[in-house]
Amino acid sequence: SQQGEEDPQALSIQEGENATMNCSYKTSINNLQWYRQNSGRGLVHLILIRSNEREKHSGRLRVTLDTSKKSSSLLITASRAADTASYFCATAGANNLFFGTGTRLTVIP
Amino acid sequence: KAGVTQTPRYLIKTRGQQVTLSCSPISGHRSVSWYQQTPGQGLQFLFEYFSETQRNKGNFPGRFSGRQFSNSRSEMNVSTLELGDSALYLCASSLGATAFNTEAFFGQGTRLTVV
Repeated sequence: SQQGEEDPQALSIQEGENATMNCSYKTSINNLQWYRQNSGRGLVHLILIRSNEREKHSGRLRVTLDTSKKSSSLLITASRAADTASYFCATAGANNLFFGTGTRLTVIP
Repeated sequence: KAGVTQTPRYLIKTRGQQVTLSCSPISGHRSVSWYQQTPGQGLQFLFEYFSETQRNKGNFPGRFSGRQFSNSRSEMNVSTLELGDSALYLCASSLGATAFNTEAFFGQGTRLTVV
């Protein structure tokens, strides 16, 4: 499969802690995107990082990309109960988009 | 501004039938993309349209097809339904030409059950 793999599959933390999830992929990419999905708001685009970028920030989110290792990480700082959701990475190549298997994050109030 | 609207929200069909799902993008967005989500295969990209032309296509059989109209609204069709086609079908629209390199805004999806 060309899908990315996400690690861990599930993560449970206390509110206020940081959460880190990782994404590994197999083919060369133009960019990598992170999405969040929960039952209330559906699938939401979080951040896009291009293949020539190494790090990107958006609010409490920090994304890194290491194209030599074909991996990316998403860090959520100072987590909140509302961050409880599944998080997916998606890698964009020339003409296809592949999603990772997702990390299920639970933030305990 | 209204979000991406997908209709219907829920659908039950019988094996062998065909189904058409509809997606209305955010006003001003000209790119529409479709995705299938199942517990077994996860999220998978189906195809993408921009200005009524299919721009990209995922690895799905020809039973899955789509089109985009001049008002950017899009439909996807699945013919000869199989049990494995039961899934949540998501549509997204983007301001750019492709969801591959711009932010995509997703609808709530159509839950299709094939019996």
